[in-house]
Amino acid sequence: DGGITQSPKYLFRKEGQNVTLSCEQNLNHDAMYWYRQDPGQGLRLIYYSQIVNDFQKGDIAEGYSVSREKKESFPLTVTSAQKNPTAFYLCASSSPGQGKDQPQHFGDGTRLSIL
Amino acid sequence: GESVGLHLPTLSVQEGDNSIINCAYSNSASDYFIWYKQESGKGPQFIIDIRSNMDKRQGQRVTVLLNKTVKHLSLQIAATQPGDSAVYFCAETSNQGGKLIFGQGTELSVKP
Repeated sequence: DGGITQSPKYLFRKEGQNVTLSCEQNLNHDAMYWYRQDPGQGLRLIYYSQIVNDFQKGDIAEGYSVSREKKESFPLTVTSAQKNPTAFYLCASSSPGQGKDQPQHFGDGTRLSIL
Repeated sequence: GESVGLHLPTLSVQEGDNSIINCAYSNSASDYFIWYKQESGKGPQFIIDIRSNMDKRQGQRVTVLLNKTVKHLSLQIAATQPGDSAVYFCAETSNQGGKLIFGQGTELSVKP
C-alpha cells in the first residue's frame, strides 16, 4: 500500500548526541514536511521541501537539520543544539496538484525522549 | 500574525448524537482548509477539505461548513460513534505555498 513510513517509532537521545529520524514515502509526492507536536498542542512546522535538493526552514528550525537527496526520503536530524527535543515528530507529504493546494498525508510519527 | 484557533478544547457527546467542532481562522487570504483526526499515538488522518469558493462540503457522515464573512470553519459529525473519539485539528494554508497552519485541536470524547 502507498503511504508514509517513519522510523523508529520510539527513539532515545543522550546528552550531546545527534539523532536522525527517517521518513520515506512511496506516494510519488513532490513536497515533504516535518512537524513537531508537544503534548496537548497542535503541530509546528520544522522544515519543508517542495522539490528534491531544496528545502526551507519552517517556524522552529533551530537545532534541526534536513536533507532531500531523493524524492521519497526526507530525514530529520535533531542536533545537540536542540535543548528541548522531547516531542512527537511527524512527517508529511503532499502533491502540488496542478497548482491547487492538496492535503498533506502523515506518517505515524516518532516519539523522541531524552535519556 | 496568521493563526488558526479552536473555540472548545474538549467536547463530550453521547453515542448517536451529532457533534460539531468549531474553528476560527484569522487570515482572510487563506483559500484552503482541512480537517484532520488524530488518534492517540498516531499521525493525523485526513477527514475532509474545503476551498474558499465553497461554503459547504459533505463526506461520509461528515460535513464541513465555511463562513468566510466571520472566518469560521466547522466540522459536523453525524451519528457520532465511539470510534470517532480523537483529537480533531483544523488547518489552513498560509500564503507560502503548501504550508499549513494548524489549530490547537479539540478532543472529542464519545460516551456509550
